[in-house]
Amino acid sequence: DSGVTQTPKHLITATGQRVTLRCSPRSGDLSVYWYQQSLDQGLQFLIQYYNGEERAKGNILERFSAQQFPDLHSELNLSSLELGDSALYFCASSGGLAGIQETQYFGPGTRLLVL
Amino acid sequence: GQNIDQPTEMTATEGAIVQINCTYQTSGFNGLFWYQQHAGEAPTFLSYNVLDGLEEKGRFSSFLSRSKGYSYLLLKELQMKDSASYLCAGRGSNDYKLSFGAGTTVTVRA
Repeated sequence: DSGVTQTPKHLITATGQRVTLRCSPRSGDLSVYWYQQSLDQGLQFLIQYYNGEERAKGNILERFSAQQFPDLHSELNLSSLELGDSALYFCASSGGLAGIQETQYFGPGTRLLVL
Repeated sequence: GQNIDQPTEMTATEGAIVQINCTYQTSGFNGLFWYQQHAGEAPTFLSYNVLDGLEEKGRFSSFLSRSKGYSYLLLKELQMKDSASYLCAGRGSNDYKLSFGAGTTVTVRA
């Protein structure tokens, strides 16, 4: 158990819908990262938040957005869903910007299926 | 950039040793991570190298050569439970984001 929690574990929805994935980082961690893992793409970095502020952006679609709240939990919002958005979505957390070893610890993931 | 390349699959026998190689573009790099991922589960941190040389942690060791853009993960005394995907990931020096390779699926046979 990494200490990172994600809800829900599974999500089935239809094309065109909107969903929200939730992540709670390990106690004390300030950074939250979101990744998408599909069969043909591998693990792709989407976005990072540090202490409530967006820190880095990867290949995140405009239909996707995220935020980190004052209590440091984060939400990833996926809208206008398409079949190709079906994937595992992982959240990871790390201690922050200080320190050379910023190991990211991954949550169990949310499996999204768009029908 | 940090294009990460690693073999797609490897097979080894229980009790044997397997070495998974990883190559990457050296620019903008600050740290090389190895994660283990069982099918449908979260990646689990195995090792981290930022300086050249070998880091040993029990049955797992990881090596880094920054000048060559090369790393490997060495798995010794293989057990059936080691059958998994092994992900090599480089961390950007400016933004801390991880760029993952496609993963190497290791199958351990009895």
